[in-house]
Amino acid sequence: GAVVSQHPSRVICKSGTSVKIECRSLDFQATTMFWYRQFPKKSLMLMATSNEGSKATYEQGVEKDKFLINHASLTLSTLTVTSAHPEDSSFYICSARPGTSGRDTQYFGPGTRLTVL
Amino acid sequence: GENVEQHPSTLSVQEGDSAVIKCTYSDSASNYFPWYKQELGKRPQLIIDIRSNVGEKKDQRIAVTLNKTAKHFSLHITETQPEDSAVYFCAASINFGNEKLTFGTGTRLTIIP
Repeated sequence: GAVVSQHPSRVICKSGTSVKIECRSLDFQATTMFWYRQFPKKSLMLMATSNEGSKATYEQGVEKDKFLINHASLTLSTLTVTSAHPEDSSFYICSARPGTSGRDTQYFGPGTRLTVL
Repeated sequence: GENVEQHPSTLSVQEGDSAVIKCTYSDSASNYFPWYKQELGKRPQLIIDIRSNVGEKKDQRIAVTLNKTAKHFSLHITETQPEDSAVYFCAASINFGNEKLTFGTGTRLTIIP
């Protein structure tokens, strides 16, 4: 149980285009999902916390107009990188936390490698 | 906000020996501490976690210890095997994980056959 999927796994796009990444909890409902960015050989940096039915909470330094997050249902959150530039190239990983009381753990998706040309 | 430091950044251990990775945290309100294992290009996988109401937790070859007074926690892997080679991240959270996780910088563990 507790499987999180991400789509696509890999995307290459031209500079200036927008890219949407989906994060789904497959076998549980997730009231909260988290979006992270990971640079090569670096740690996971939290970008934002996504709450179902409400606005996302962004970490300091993360542009909310550039990284649009929508958590439309209890099993789906999307991250849209708008007007992507080469410096946005990175590994983006989502995680989801089951809403059941007592379940502390966040479960991670497989990640999406974004390359902006 | 919370700050988590992790040491060492790299660790090489002979197969069969033990490996220890240490983390310190700054926020005394943190009460949930998971450890994740990440293989190259793959998702982080939870390997063990501990709440602040216990000092130690063990799962087969893996154990975690927590010292709330000193604000540090450690991962112990015994009888290491080649498949233990990966990057390990510690993390801390308040409210028993209901809030965001703050990650350490990671430890690249290499098991030498």
